[in-house]
Amino acid sequence: ETGVTQSPTHLIKTRGQQVTLRCSSQSGHNTVSWYQQALGQGPQFIFQYYREEENGRGNFPPRFSGLQFPNYSSELNVNALELDDSALYLCASSLVGTELYEQYFGPGTRLTVT
Amino acid sequence: DAKTTQPPSMDCAEGRAANLPCNHSTISGNEYVYWYRQIHSQGPQYIIHGLKNNETNEMASLIITEDRKSSTLILPHATLRDTAVYYCIVRPNNYGQNFVFGPGTRLSVLP
Repeated sequence: ETGVTQSPTHLIKTRGQQVTLRCSSQSGHNTVSWYQQALGQGPQFIFQYYREEENGRGNFPPRFSGLQFPNYSSELNVNALELDDSALYLCASSLVGTELYEQYFGPGTRLTVT
Repeated sequence: DAKTTQPPSMDCAEGRAANLPCNHSTISGNEYVYWYRQIHSQGPQYIIHGLKNNETNEMASLIITEDRKSSTLILPHATLRDTAVYYCIVRPNNYGQNFVFGPGTRLSVLP
C-alpha cells in the first residue's frame, strides 16, 4: 500500500449538491494530482497542484476545483453535481524535484450522484 | 488521448509468465514508458518504468524494443493476485506532466 489516504471512502449525493473530497499525500511528496475514473474506463486527469497552486488541468469544467494546503494535503470540490459525476475519484502524490516522477495513488473515493 | 495501444484482455495460467504488450509508435525521445496496474476497485499501483534500457524490479521486468516503439511487461510467475487491469503509459519525466491512461489490458490469471 502507498501512504496516500483519501476520505471519505464512499459518498452519496444528490444532483445539484456540492461535494468535497480529501487527500493526504505520501510523506515527503509535494505534488497532488486528481483523477476521475468512470466505471470500466481508465482514470482521467482532472488537475494537479504544486506549491498550493494549480499546475495543469485536464478537460474538466470550472465547477471542479481544488486546493492544496501547506502540508501538501489536498481537496477536490465539485459544485452543481451531475449524474455523470458518479465515479471513483483518485488522488495521487509525487515528488517534483527528483529524477523520478512516478505517482502513488490512494484507494479512491466512490461518489454516487442520484 | 492515450499514446499507447494495448490488447483489451489476456489470460495467463497461474505460475506461468505473463507477457503484456504495448505499442507506442509515436513515443518521443524524452518520454518514458510507465506501467501501472489496478486491482478491482483500488487505486492504480506503480509497477515499473523505463526510458530505453530493459528494467527489472521485484515485481516485473520491462522490455523496450530498440526503436522504442513497443514494450512488454513481464510478470515472471503470475499468481491469482496478479489479476488486474494493466496500464501502459508514456509521458515525459518532467514537472507538471500528468499520466494519460488508456483502457489498459485486463489480465486474468487462471488456476
